[in-house]
Amino acid sequence: SQQGEEDPQALSIQEGENATMNCSYKTSINNLQWYRQNSGRGLVHLILIRSNEREKHSGRLRVTLDTSKKSSSLLITASRAADTASYFCAREGGSEKLVFGKGTKLTVNP
Amino acid sequence: NAGVTQTPKFQVLKTGQSMTLQCAQDMNHNSMYWYRQDPGMGLRLIYYSASEGTTDKGEVPNGYNVSRLNKREFSLRLESAAPSQTSVYFCATFAGGGLSEKLFFGSGTQLSVL
Repeated sequence: SQQGEEDPQALSIQEGENATMNCSYKTSINNLQWYRQNSGRGLVHLILIRSNEREKHSGRLRVTLDTSKKSSSLLITASRAADTASYFCAREGGSEKLVFGKGTKLTVNP
Repeated sequence: NAGVTQTPKFQVLKTGQSMTLQCAQDMNHNSMYWYRQDPGMGLRLIYYSASEGTTDKGEVPNGYNVSRLNKREFSLRLESAAPSQTSVYFCATFAGGGLSEKLFFGSGTQLSVL
C-alpha cells in the first residue's frame, strides 16, 4: 500500500492540553497535507508543508516535516472540545493524486 | 457558492443492482477525484480525472466506472454492486497549479449493499 501511517490511531486528552499526531510515509513527496474530518462530514484542509520546509504554523497548528525520516507531525496546542475529530495526513508526490493515511481519532474532553 | 455537491447522500442497494453517484463542482477546478472511506482504512482513491474527457485509475478501481463529460461533473458508476462496496464515497476537486494545492471535498454518499 502507498498509504501513509498515522499514529496513534486514537488519542484522548483534556481540554487545554496539546495533541500531537504523527504521520510516516514511504516514498518521496512534493508536499504533505493535513486534513480534518468531523464525524459524518467531508474532509477539510488544514495545512500544507512542502518538501523543502521543516516547520509551518497556522494559528494553534504546528506541522513539522522530516524528509530524511519520511515523517511529519501535527501539533494542536491548547486543545478545545471543538477540536474533536479525525485527522489525516496526505502526501502528494507530483501527480496531483493525494494518498491518505488511516487517520488519528482525537477526542478532547471538556 | 455550493462548492462540491454529491448526490445522493444515502443509498441502499441489493447485490447486483447498479447505480451512479453524482458529483458536481462550481469551483472551476480541473481535477476531480472519487475516494472511498472504510473504517480503519482511511481514504483510498478509486478514480481521478485530471481534466475534462480524461480519467485514470486509482488504488482501488475494480468494480467501478467513471465518466467526466464536462468540467463540472464527475460521476461514479457501480455496474453490479457487491457487499464489499459498502462504504462512504467522497468526491473531491483539486485546486492545483500553484494556486492552492489542496483538495475540496463533498459531504459524502453513504452506500450500503445488502
